[in-house]
Amino acid sequence: QVQLQESGPGLVKPSETLSLTCSVSGYSISSGFYWGWIRQPPGKGLEWIGSIYESGSTYYSPSLKSRVTISVDASENEFSLRLRSVTAADTAVYYCARDVGVANWGSPGAFDIWGQGTIVTVSS
Amino acid sequence: SYELTQPPSVSVSPGQTASITCSGHKLGDKYACWYQQKPGQSPVMVIYQDTKRPSGIPERFSGSNSGNTATLTISGTQAMDEAEYYCQAWDSSTADVVFGGGTKLTVL
Repeated sequence: QVQLQESGPGLVKPSETLSLTCSVSGYSISSGFYWGWIRQPPGKGLEWIGSIYESGSTYYSPSLKSRVTISVDASENEFSLRLRSVTAADTAVYYCARDVGVANWGSPGAFDIWGQGTIVTVSS
Repeated sequence: SYELTQPPSVSVSPGQTASITCSGHKLGDKYACWYQQKPGQSPVMVIYQDTKRPSGIPERFSGSNSGNTATLTISGTQAMDEAEYYCQAWDSSTADVVFGGGTKLTVL
């Protein structure tokens, strides 16, 4: 079955860059869906970061767009997140997920399979 | 920015019907999704495209969306349905995927 697994440092210093990778197994990342990143600060709700297609086409959250880059490596069947100039407000559980919205009705935002999430703390 | 508003909490007795609302400007013109999240777990999609259930989601979960309100309905609520529920939609005017603030469903 389709599985997603986030990986990356659990601790990032303020002003530095947060980098995470999502490895996809049981399904080709080049099979027609977008792939997204969502985060959840401790005790709070969900926030979309962005979604990417196999071709590299992206949608980004307007509030994070200036600091975010999402990329895809189809040969490794994985996609990645980079968030620059982090602060304590970026401390969260970061999830990757398959986004079936564009394929089904032409717009992103329908996350049917999620990774287990990885906790990232921003602290010196 | 576009906002989706959910009640912070809803309570229901076992076996009864729970309704969780999600309000947003002209939400009925957009497609809504719903996610269930239990403590310490990743979210699970329970409804997409307003009314559709992903494979494996029990039939007691249903959705509707009209006007400014989307509703998640759980019929014959079970103790295992106790969780946080989030609605979500795409707003084309801001090009943003928006989540509601979440509703804690208590089954008691």
